[in-house]
Amino acid sequence: QVQLVQSGTEVKEPGASVKISCKASGYTFIDNYLHWVRQAPGQGLEWVARIYPKSGDTIYAQKFQGRVSVTRDTSISTAYMELTRLTSDDTAVYYCLGRAVQYWGQGTLVTVSS
Amino acid sequence: DIVMTQTPLSLSVTPGQPASISCKSSQSLLQSDGKTNLHWYLQKPGQPPQLLIFAVSNRFSGVPDRFSGSGSGTDFTLTISRLESEDVGVYFCMHSKQVPLTFGGGTKVEIK
Repeated sequence: QVQLVQSGTEVKEPGASVKISCKASGYTFIDNYLHWVRQAPGQGLEWVARIYPKSGDTIYAQKFQGRVSVTRDTSISTAYMELTRLTSDDTAVYYCLGRAVQYWGQGTLVTVSS
Repeated sequence: DIVMTQTPLSLSVTPGQPASISCKSSQSLLQSDGKTNLHWYLQKPGQPPQLLIFAVSNRFSGVPDRFSGSGSGTDFTLTISRLESEDVGVYFCMHSKQVPLTFGGGTKVEIK
């Protein structure tokens, strides 16, 4: 069955960086866009970035330009999202969303606190 | 960016009764290939969202037939024909016509 399994909870200090992974299984990873979406506490959903694993082409939300980088390792069907220069506003659950926006990862809580 | 406006904010429904949620987009979601990529998800407490309806009206695998989607262009509706206790949670619409993907604000459905 299709699964997107993300890495675990992260606690970071302001100014630090975080890198989250999303491992896909049960479908052809390279042929489907993989999105990253976040949900701050009590807030709605916000799109962060997209990668096309076959080519590695990425596109980022304007507000994260310069701070976010999405990469992939096709040999292990895994995508990564790195967010730098973290602030408390980046505290959120980060999800990967794949296979024609049908499946979500379980989410990774990132807490930014001093 | 396409703005998705979802109403109502919350619903309290008696089990067995119907429920309906509206989602309006700021521009047409009809694509040149004839598809309309408007989707509905349910997020239960402490869980990631799960797909209910894709491309306006297609039930995802395993989704009960009491869930249905309709609409076109800019106006879309999710209908639950007979609410069951397991249906509580936050429902939201999302388009995937282009990036950025954008989302409705969510409708919290509770049992009355």
